[in-house]
Amino acid sequence: NAGVTQTPKFQVLKTGQSMTLQCAQDMNHNSMYWYRQDPGMGLRLIYYSASEGTTDKGEVPNGYNVSRLNKREFSLRLESAAPSQTSVYFCASQEGANYGYTFGSGTRLTVV
Amino acid sequence: QKEVEQDPGPLSVPEGAIVSLNCTYSNSAFQYFMWYRQYSRKGPELLMYTYSSGNKEDGRFTAQVDKSSKYISLFIRDSQPSDSATYLCAIWGSSASKIIFGSGTRLSIRP
Repeated sequence: NAGVTQTPKFQVLKTGQSMTLQCAQDMNHNSMYWYRQDPGMGLRLIYYSASEGTTDKGEVPNGYNVSRLNKREFSLRLESAAPSQTSVYFCASQEGANYGYTFGSGTRLTVV
Repeated sequence: QKEVEQDPGPLSVPEGAIVSLNCTYSNSAFQYFMWYRQYSRKGPELLMYTYSSGNKEDGRFTAQVDKSSKYISLFIRDSQPSDSATYLCAIWGSSASKIIFGSGTRLSIRP
């Protein structure tokens, strides 16, 4: 039982390049989330998907897009990376409204 | 005002000490309270989950909620070096669509 799997684990991009961060969960959870974590800023919600076929903006959505490909997969895309997007990105899933989140191990992204 | 406030630390204590980690929150509508533990270079993992005011115990860990003061605490007894991590409080209410996290307290247990 893998839980929440994120790929890649590390990535270095040049300013202006694009990339997609992948997230998959095998727990049949309905809700999925993308967070970024920066020193002193805590976890900030980028986008979330309450169920398959729906996505909503979180606290810091600018510069990102998401796709809920199916119930298992929720991807995060950076169309034109900027140094301000250097961060650790976490994907999480949630079984239901009264449950906590299960997090992946993160993607460390550096934009130079 | 942030919805959840947490002292970032760092907090350093000797092995065996009792550790107290705290958060305050602003909205009395929040009903569910959680503590996550995050080791370096790992994702957060759910440690404790509680709904009501009072104490919930799990081994060396006790989560305490005081809804009248909007104050939540995590106590760690007989702290071990393996408890060294960042601890994030988190809250959720039925009117909110997502969990709100504190910024985390970095804890170090000295052998």
